[in-house]
Amino acid sequence: AQKITQTQPGMFVQEKEAVTLDCTYDTSDPSYGLFWYKQPSSGEMIFLIYQGSYDQQNATEGRYSLNFQKARKSANLVISASQLGDSAMYFCATRGVGISYNTDKLIFGTGTRLQVFP
Amino acid sequence: SQTIHQWPATLVQPVGSPLSLECTVEGTSNPNLYWYRQAAGRGLQLLFYSVGIGQISSEVPQNLSASRPQDRQFILSSKKLLLSDSGFYLCAWGKGGQETQYFGPGTRLLVL
Repeated sequence: AQKITQTQPGMFVQEKEAVTLDCTYDTSDPSYGLFWYKQPSSGEMIFLIYQGSYDQQNATEGRYSLNFQKARKSANLVISASQLGDSAMYFCATRGVGISYNTDKLIFGTGTRLQVFP
Repeated sequence: SQTIHQWPATLVQPVGSPLSLECTVEGTSNPNLYWYRQAAGRGLQLLFYSVGIGQISSEVPQNLSASRPQDRQFILSSKKLLLSDSGFYLCAWGKGGQETQYFGPGTRLLVL
């Protein structure tokens, strides 16, 4: 079964600095995807970035980049030039197979709360 | 562009009362639809998954049920709410063959 581990319950970063949020995963699937979502206090889960296991390059989306190290089974999120609006919960996820034959679902970690201070 | 709506945004219900949460998607056809629940301070747990009208897969045994009466409408229901049904309910959509799921704004349910 797939599993996502986020070991940092909380992180602090000063505005304009970069921060890395850790994520390690466990899967037996030969092909898999890794996702990062942002959840502000409003509750909505906002998709940030996706990395496929066979992608040759690390994914980037604006200030977000994914440091994908396949051998170490890690998919850390790097946020550059942090902004106050980046304060939120961040969840790492991977696709998993559900109980039903054709059910696919996202397996989430427990999240990291990022606080950006001026 | 695609949008996903959920209502109500917040709901306070007494134990034993019925429940109906609605989710609709615009701007796409034949999406895969999902209901997740998030307990306070936790990650998300998949409750139901649907690949088409009338097709529902249940992930965990529980007090809830789901229905998909139309292609872009997904409903979460209960006949009698329990205290343990309190939580944040998120609907999501995705397309077969594509990886990402996109979430709605969620419904906060408090059962008293």
